[in-house]
Amino acid sequence: DAMVIQNPRYQVTQFGKPVTLSCSQTLNHNVMYWYQQKSSQAPKLLFHYYDKDFNNEADTPDNFQSRRPNTSFCFLDIRSPGLGDAAMYLCATRGGSGSLNEQFFGPGTRLTVL
Amino acid sequence: SQQGEEDPQALSIQEGENATMNCSYKTSINNLQWYRQNSGRGLVHLILIRSNEREKHSGRLRVTLDTSKKSSSLLITASRAADTASYFCATVGGAAGNKLTFGGGTRVLVKP
Repeated sequence: DAMVIQNPRYQVTQFGKPVTLSCSQTLNHNVMYWYQQKSSQAPKLLFHYYDKDFNNEADTPDNFQSRRPNTSFCFLDIRSPGLGDAAMYLCATRGGSGSLNEQFFGPGTRLTVL
Repeated sequence: SQQGEEDPQALSIQEGENATMNCSYKTSINNLQWYRQNSGRGLVHLILIRSNEREKHSGRLRVTLDTSKKSSSLLITASRAADTASYFCATVGGAAGNKLTFGGGTRVLVKP
């Protein structure tokens, strides 16, 4: 089945130790999103790629970076994780050029920072 | 930034009862979408309603949209224990363009 896959599902890192979360999709969608979701809160958009074009949200800290080497894969790099970065990180995709398309979410990666 | 607010924040009902939750938003939209999130999981798209639509149905789900009041409601009829989840509304359009802007969510507990 076409889907959005996130690895790992659970990630533990130490304060200040760089970590990379990965997302892959078999939907061949041209838009990929990264969201941060803290407990009992709504997902917060960090950035997205429209094909190779990177779009950063204005309030996303510089500590968060992203790479999209090809259509299928997108990575979230946290350069120096702090305790406040512990959260669920959700990857999503959207196909088509219109605004009427739904987003397809992966299962998320829960990040713990020790 | 969060555009919408959802009401109630939490809802507890018995299996078989209906669950209604409301979403309000602030700016003009192209469409409004509802998503479900089971505990510790990703979001699943439930239904999309366009700005020129007033009501939409999908199985046991009924969504209404009142653009004059900038509000939407989601009704789940004949709820089941498996409907226990958080439900988020998300708007598309306005200053946010094609991005989803989520409401705060409603946590629904369906007791067997």
